[in-house]
Amino acid sequence: DAGVTQSPTHLIKTRGQQVTLRCSPKSGHDTVSWYQQALGQGPQFIFQYYEEEERQRGNFPDRFSGHQFPNYSSELNVNALLLGDSALYLCASSSGPSGRSNTGELFFGEGSRLTVL
Amino acid sequence: AQSVSQHNHHVILSEAASLELGCNYSYGGTVNLFWYVQYPGQHLQLLLKYFSGDPLVKGIKGFEAEFIKSKFSFNLRKPSVQWSDTAEYFCAVTYNFGNEKLTFGTGTRLTIIP
Repeated sequence: DAGVTQSPTHLIKTRGQQVTLRCSPKSGHDTVSWYQQALGQGPQFIFQYYEEEERQRGNFPDRFSGHQFPNYSSELNVNALLLGDSALYLCASSSGPSGRSNTGELFFGEGSRLTVL
Repeated sequence: AQSVSQHNHHVILSEAASLELGCNYSYGGTVNLFWYVQYPGQHLQLLLKYFSGDPLVKGIKGFEAEFIKSKFSFNLRKPSVQWSDTAEYFCAVTYNFGNEKLTFGTGTRLTIIP
C-alpha cells in the first residue's frame, strides 16, 4: 500500500521563476493538504483540497495556488519565486475533510525541497 | 490566531533517561492535540493524539502525553528513552474535529546518546 508520494524530491529555481510540485495521496484518501516547512520551523498550512476544490487556506499569498485532479492527486504551484520561498514542501493526505473522518490523522509525504537562488 | 509553543528546541539525553517535552497552545476553546515525530530521513508520522476523554493518551513506541486543559498543555513523556528515539518531535493543534488545518510548534530536536 503506497503512502503519500511527492515529486520532485529536490529542485533549484531562481527568483521570479515558477515551480510546480506534485503529490499522490495515500491509497483510499481523497483530501490533500499542503504545508511549508522552513528551516528550523514547524510546518505551516498552505491550503487543503477536497473534491477538486480549495476548502481551506492558510496565510499565504495568491502566488501560491493549487489543483486537485479527479484521481485525488494534487499540484502546488508557486509563481514569482522569492528567496523566502526556499523550504521543504510537504503534502499530507487524509480521508475526508472535517467531520468526515474519525481519525484526525494526516499522512505525510517526504516532501519536496525547494531552493530559490 | 492559534499558536503552539515548544520551549525545548534541542534536548540531549542518555539512553534510559526519562523524557518530557513541553507543548503549550494558545486557543482557549475545544482543541484536538497531536504529537508528530520525524525520524532522520523519514516523513512526519503520528505519535499520538487527543480528541476527548481520558486526558492521558498513549501512543506508539511507549510514548504518552497528558492533556491539562487548565494549563493549555499537552506534554509528551516517555519513562525510558532509546537511541532509536532520536528524532524531531512536533506538537500540533487543531480546533475542530477531523482534518482541519494543523498548527504546528517549531519542533524539538531530541538526541539520545548511547
